[in-house]
Amino acid sequence: KQEVTQIPAALSVPEGENLVLNCSFTDSAIYNLQWFRQDPGKGLTSLLLIQSSQREQTSGRLNASLDKSSGRSTLYIAASQPGDSATYLCAVKAAGNKLTFGGGTRVLVKP
Amino acid sequence: DGGITQSPKYLFRKEGQNVTLSCEQNLNHDAMYWYRQDPGQGLRLIYYSQIVNDFQKGDIAEGYSVSREKKESFPLTVTSAQKNPTAFYLCASRQGETTGELFFGEGSRLTVL
Repeated sequence: KQEVTQIPAALSVPEGENLVLNCSFTDSAIYNLQWFRQDPGKGLTSLLLIQSSQREQTSGRLNASLDKSSGRSTLYIAASQPGDSATYLCAVKAAGNKLTFGGGTRVLVKP
Repeated sequence: DGGITQSPKYLFRKEGQNVTLSCEQNLNHDAMYWYRQDPGQGLRLIYYSQIVNDFQKGDIAEGYSVSREKKESFPLTVTSAQKNPTAFYLCASRQGETTGELFFGEGSRLTVL
């Protein structure tokens, strides 16, 4: 059974510092991995989707890497801003239409 | 704009009542999903549908029912058999079964009084 873990559960950084968010999964037989952002009381917003054949994806200040062999993905957010404060979740897509979510990392960027 | 619309945003229900949450998408996606989110428990899959007139149970389907009569619509009914229905419900959709990006609606918060 696929298990997805995000550590730490919460993170606080000063504005301008780079953010590094971790996602680890137990079964490397995945189709893709997706990173989401969730603001309080809102739905999930897709940030980046990495297919299993890719090593990384970039969008603006965001960069996500994928290492299937070690079961890890990292989301980097450069030059963090207070508006980046949110909960970040990763989700792994495997066979059988199964999508497994991590518990999320709650990020606070202090001005 | 293309997207997923969930309604209502907030819903209050008395014990013993069935309620239906609406989910509509205009992304022309084949697959649609319903998730439940509780504090400290992450997202759990209730039901999903890959094509019209077909749907499958997820991990926590007991006490819920769905229909998929149209490609763009996937309503969720929370029945009185659901023992703990107070939660945040999220609808999502994807084009294709495996490699497509998953998109979410804004969610519906159900509170049982």
